[in-house]
Amino acid sequence: DAMVIQNPRYQVTQFGKPVTLSCSQTLNHNVMYWYQQKSSQAPKLLFHYYDKDFNNEADTPDNFQSRRPNTSFCFLDIRSPGLGDAAMYLCATSSSLPAYNEQFFGPGTRLTVL
Amino acid sequence: DQQVKQNSPSLSVQEGRISILNCDYTNSMFDYFLWYKKYPAEGPTFLISISSIKDKNEDGRFTVFLNKSAKHLSLHIVPSQPGDSAVYFCAAKGSNYKLTFGKGTLLTVNP
Repeated sequence: DAMVIQNPRYQVTQFGKPVTLSCSQTLNHNVMYWYQQKSSQAPKLLFHYYDKDFNNEADTPDNFQSRRPNTSFCFLDIRSPGLGDAAMYLCATSSSLPAYNEQFFGPGTRLTVL
Repeated sequence: DQQVKQNSPSLSVQEGRISILNCDYTNSMFDYFLWYKKYPAEGPTFLISISSIKDKNEDGRFTVFLNKSAKHLSLHIVPSQPGDSAVYFCAAKGSNYKLTFGKGTLLTVNP
């Protein structure tokens, strides 16, 4: 089945220790997104890739970076995690074709910062 | 400033009855609306959508209604089943392909 896969599902890191979350997709979608979701909050878009073009949201902290080495993979790097970065991180994909407006989500990675 | 609002954090209904989840938006440029369903420890899954040129879209037990003048949409689930218990997110799309989400409503369907 075509899907969006996120690894790991649970990640524990120490305050200030860099961490990388990964996302892969078999849908061959050209747009990939990273969201941060905290408890009882709406998913918050951090950035997205439209093909190879990186698009950062204005309020995304510099602490968050992303890489997309190819169509299938996308990584979220948190350079110096703080306690406030503990959250669920969701990867999503979509096609940019006008007829397709749905985003398909992975299961998420729950990040804990000690 | 929340552009998509789900004012009810939770809703509880009896199995077999109708569930109505509500969503309000403020941006008149939104042209496409989606509902996502999320179980614990899983990512949101797409449920149903509606274009701004329509006022109703139905898919099995799920119907979404859009009232553009009121900037309001609702999701109706009839009949509700215990397996429908989840968090439901309303999302809206504007001129680009990015989605703006509400905070979600936790639906509990009691047997």
